[in-house]
Amino acid sequence: GEQVEQRPPHLSVREGDSAVITCTYTDPNSYYFFWYKQEPGASLQLLMKVFSSTEINEGQGFTVLLNKKDKRLSLNLTAAHPGDSAAYFCAVSAHNNAGAKLTFGGGTRLTVRP
Amino acid sequence: GALVYQYPRRTICKSGTSMRMECQAVGFQATSVAWYRQSPQKTFELIALSTVNSAIKYEQNFTQEKFPISHPNLSFSSMTVLNAYLEDRGLYLCGARDPRASAETLYFGSGTRLTVL
Repeated sequence: GEQVEQRPPHLSVREGDSAVITCTYTDPNSYYFFWYKQEPGASLQLLMKVFSSTEINEGQGFTVLLNKKDKRLSLNLTAAHPGDSAAYFCAVSAHNNAGAKLTFGGGTRLTVRP
Repeated sequence: GALVYQYPRRTICKSGTSMRMECQAVGFQATSVAWYRQSPQKTFELIALSTVNSAIKYEQNFTQEKFPISHPNLSFSSMTVLNAYLEDRGLYLCGARDPRASAETLYFGSGTRLTVL
């Protein structure tokens, strides 16, 4: 089945710096990709969803890159601020998966220092 | 919009007892519901996937005997943790699929955090 590896498991950056989190996946049939944010003690907040046909997506303060050839997905926080401190998870779903089963990466705990 | 409510938010149970958690989809009909568990300091493991008109499919390491799920209609699902022990503690998330949404999106509830004493 699908395996998703996420790196790094922990990341600490200064306010204003960029932070990059990367996931690699194994299933070539993977088609839908998601990034979630989990603040301490809270549930999952969907940051962005990416389709197979999309390579670059820009959100508010972050960019998501998808490289199908390398089976790699990355989240780039362009100018991190303390409010970005949280755990981030990528998730991958295969095409035509009617059951919408998501496989999550191991998570990255990001700390943004003032 | 699509909302998913989970109840209770937090619960504490004694070792060896059972607890039931609920998941309610509001504003849409969930064609499938996935239950996940996040153990302390870990990622989210899929427990089972319940799809309309299909049998509930449990992942390896999770069984119906331990985590029975009820999915009586397209807006409600419940799961029970039977005979809970310390290793069952964690955050249990319900994710409901809105067929109107693109990209196989799962909308997650706020979770039920289980503490086992």
